[in-house]
Amino acid sequence: GNSVTQMEGPVTLSEEAFLTINCTYTATGYPSLFWYVQYPGEGLQLLLKATKADDKGSNKGFEATYRKETTSFHLEKGSVQVSDSAVYFCALSLTGRRALTFGSGTRLQVQP
Amino acid sequence: GAGVSQSPRYKVAKRGQDVALRCDPISGHVSLFWYQQALGQGPEFLTYFQNEAQLDKSGLPSDRFFAERPEGSVSTLKIQRTQQEDSAVYLCASSLFLEGNYGYTFGSGTRLTVV
Repeated sequence: GNSVTQMEGPVTLSEEAFLTINCTYTATGYPSLFWYVQYPGEGLQLLLKATKADDKGSNKGFEATYRKETTSFHLEKGSVQVSDSAVYFCALSLTGRRALTFGSGTRLQVQP
Repeated sequence: GAGVSQSPRYKVAKRGQDVALRCDPISGHVSLFWYQQALGQGPEFLTYFQNEAQLDKSGLPSDRFFAERPEGSVSTLKIQRTQQEDSAVYLCASSLFLEGNYGYTFGSGTRLTVV
C-alpha cells in the first residue's frame, strides 16, 4: 500500500536555526509529493510540491527535493522564524487516484 | 467564495445522534474531497466527488457515513448513529482540476466530539 512516514515532533528550534523535517514514502506507483502546513486555527495550506524525480519544490524559503532513489522528500529551511511555528504534513498522490495520503504531521515550535 | 467554507466549526453530539456537516467549496471547483483527521494524526481520505458524481468512497469507515453533492457544488457529510470513535476533525477540500498534482484548497474543518 501507499504510506508516508514523518519524523516525530515536536521539533523545537531557536529563531534563525536550520530546519530539516524528514519524510519518506512507500508507493505502488510514481507519486507526486507535497508538503502542507497547518497554522494554528487554520486549514491546511499547500506549501510546495514536486511531481517527478529530482524536482525541487520551493516556497517561502522552504525547499524539498524529490529523491526517488531514497524515496524521500525532506523539508528544509535555512533560517526559521517564529511565524513558521505550525504543523507540517508530508503527502503523496498517485496518478489516477486523486486522494492524498498524508503522514502524521510534525509540529514545529520556533522560539525567539 | 474566496475559500472553502465548512459549517459548523464545532459540533458536540450525543452518542447515537445523527449529524450533518456542510462544505461550501470554491465556486467552479470540480473536485471535492472529505478527509477525517483524528487527534495528532494526518488527515485520512474518506470520499471524492467530481462535480455531482461520487467517484470514490473507499475511505468511508462504515455504512453509517454518507456523503452527497447533488448539484455539484455544496456537499454534505452525514454520520448516522454517531459513536465515540467518530470524534475527529472533518476536513473538506476542493480543486479546480481533476488531477491531484496541483494540490487542493482545504477548509478549516468541523471538529466533531461525540459524548
